Amino acid sequence: AQKVTQAQTEISVVEKEDVTLDCVYETRDTTYYLFWYKQPPSGELVFLIRRNSFDEQNEISGRYSWNFQKSTSSFNFTITASQVVDSAVYFCALSEAMRDAGKSTFGDGTTLTVKP
Amino acid sequence: DTAVSQTPKYLVTQMGNDKSIKCEQNLGHDTMYWYKQDSKKFLKIMFSYNNKELIINETVPNRFSPKSPDKAHLNLHINSLELGDSAVYFCASSQVKGNGKTEAFFGQGTRLTVV
Repeated sequence: AQKVTQAQTEISVVEKEDVTLDCVYETRDTTYYLFWYKQPPSGELVFLIRRNSFDEQNEISGRYSWNFQKSTSSFNFTITASQVVDSAVYFCALSEAMRDAGKSTFGDGTTLTVKP
Repeated sequence: DTAVSQTPKYLVTQMGNDKSIKCEQNLGHDTMYWYKQDSKKFLKIMFSYNNKELIINETVPNRFSPKSPDKAHLNLHINSLELGDSAVYFCASSQVKGNGKTEAFFGQGTRLTVV
């Protein structure tokens, strides 16, 4: 069975601080996808990234970066120089590779609050 | 020019009714999805569909059925609505681009309230 754990329920930082959101997963599959999504207070969902389990390269997109560590089954998300607009709930998810996102298991989400 | 649009935004209905939520994407994406977010904000994927395959999350009751008249639409039909169906339902579409990166967008959500 698949499982995604986002142990940090809530995180609060001051603007410009760096913050890392943890995501630990469990799966018996050898190939799988990992995802991060953002849900701002307005309620919409925003897709951030999909990572294939074969690709262990870290990824950077502007102030966002993702650290995939297969050895520790973690796919952590770091926001550098956080801004108030980063305040949101962030969800990590895992899916069987053959099913793409169709069999995703979500973590419970981490609520990030960035204070000015 | 909305990429993924779903209607209605709000839906209040009585138990036992049958209802539909429509979703359209104008991105040319191959795959569309339906997600459910409950009152505790827990997210669950319900279906994913492309022109070849429908993937159903086994926890979804068979009262829920996706219908895709064409590649740009994936509507959600719900029969015999129950109180526990009250949630926000999100439609989404995705595509793997030529550079191997995935692009995905969500609709604004439909808040379904069953009374």
